[in-house]
Amino acid sequence: DADVTQTPRNRITKTGKRIMLECSQTKGHDRMYWYRQDPGLGLRLIYYSFDVKDINKGEISDGYSVSRQAQAKFSLSLESAIPNQTALYFCATSDVGRDYGYTFGSGTRLTVV
Amino acid sequence: QKEVEQNSGPLSVPEGAIASLNCTYSDRGSQSFFWYRQYSGKSPELIMFIYSNGDKEDGRFTAQLNKASQYVSLLIRDSQPSDSATYLCAVNPPGGATNKLIFGTGTLLAVQP
Repeated sequence: DADVTQTPRNRITKTGKRIMLECSQTKGHDRMYWYRQDPGLGLRLIYYSFDVKDINKGEISDGYSVSRQAQAKFSLSLESAIPNQTALYFCATSDVGRDYGYTFGSGTRLTVV
Repeated sequence: QKEVEQNSGPLSVPEGAIASLNCTYSDRGSQSFFWYRQYSGKSPELIMFIYSNGDKEDGRFTAQLNKASQYVSLLIRDSQPSDSATYLCAVNPPGGATNKLIFGTGTLLAVQP
């Protein structure tokens, strides 16, 4: 099984619908992140959480919300999806310290029509 | 000025050659630096990290860091067609253990057989 699992892998949804993307990890890491990736814009941070009670906005949090249900689970919600939220979404985890990079999930390709 | 800048490419090199990928960053106090490889439609995977000035080698990969000039590079020796991917540079900003990485938009590498 993958260390960081994202569901669903692909999703098409209509404008205005609420959608949740889920992420679970078996790495035992406290730190979890949600990024979106768009062509030409790279990976941009949406939200991050350093433990279950610590949730922070990233650079592009408008239109998104998150829930950290447990150390291993971090969900991203789009309350009312809009077409410009069409993107590839990645969940990532990391250990604590400057030497530790991220372990990424396999991604969710979301299309809002 | 973007915080982390990379040439988008494509960088085309013949098989067996050395590929040189470059990245500059704006925050002089940045602590550590990461290179990720991302195949089309897949998640980024960590190749190397570096935090001290100089070179760090791992197999066919060498990361180079020059904090005075604020650039980090990745050399791939004996390039193979399987190295064809987008390479993302990521920077851990001042604060050391924040692990809130800032990504460049990536350089597309194409290794020609």
